[in-house]
Amino acid sequence: NAGVTQTPKFRILKIGQSMTLQCTQDMNHNYMYWYRQDPGMGLKLIYYSVGAGITDKGEVPNGYNVSRSTTEDFPLRLELAAPSQTSVYFCASILAGGPPTDTQYFGPGTRLTVL
Amino acid sequence: RKEVEQDPGPFNVPEGATVAFNCTYSNSASQSFFWYRQDCRKEPKLLMSVYSSGNEDGRFTAQLNRASQYISLLIRDSKLSDSATYLCVVKKYSSASKIIFGSGTRLSIRP
Repeated sequence: NAGVTQTPKFRILKIGQSMTLQCTQDMNHNYMYWYRQDPGMGLKLIYYSVGAGITDKGEVPNGYNVSRSTTEDFPLRLELAAPSQTSVYFCASILAGGPPTDTQYFGPGTRLTVL
Repeated sequence: RKEVEQDPGPFNVPEGATVAFNCTYSNSASQSFFWYRQDCRKEPKLLMSVYSSGNEDGRFTAQLNRASQYISLLIRDSKLSDSATYLCVVKKYSSASKIIFGSGTRLSIRP
């Protein structure tokens, strides 16, 4: 049981390039989330999904897209990368929405630098 | 006012000391509460969940005060390895997206 895995661990992009950050969970969790964390700051929600085929915007969705075709995978797409997207990106998942199954489990993160 | 507020610290305490920090929240509909620890630039890891009045796990005790809308974390007999940032997380039961993270409290344990 690997939990939540993310690839790549590190990436440097040039301005205007695109990339997809991968996130997979093997816990059969229904809810999945993408956060970004800028240096010295808290986590900000980018997008989330409550199940396959269902996604919704979080607090800071501009410049990103997501899809959820399976329960396990929740990729985050960056189009036209900008320096403001330099951050650490965390994927997380929850089994279900209410206690006691609503503990979030996080992946190890992807460190992205846009130059 | 922020929905979840924490004292950013840093708290700098000697090894073996007891340290406590609070987290206040503004939404009375909040149902689930969590403490996570986050080491520098790594993912948050669950320390404990708090669904009722409190929870204890070894040296760590969390208490929830719904009337005053705060949760606290107490660390006894602190170890060097407890040095980290502690995140308070508050979740509204009926919403998948209403998971609010505090900005964290930095704790540094000195020998």
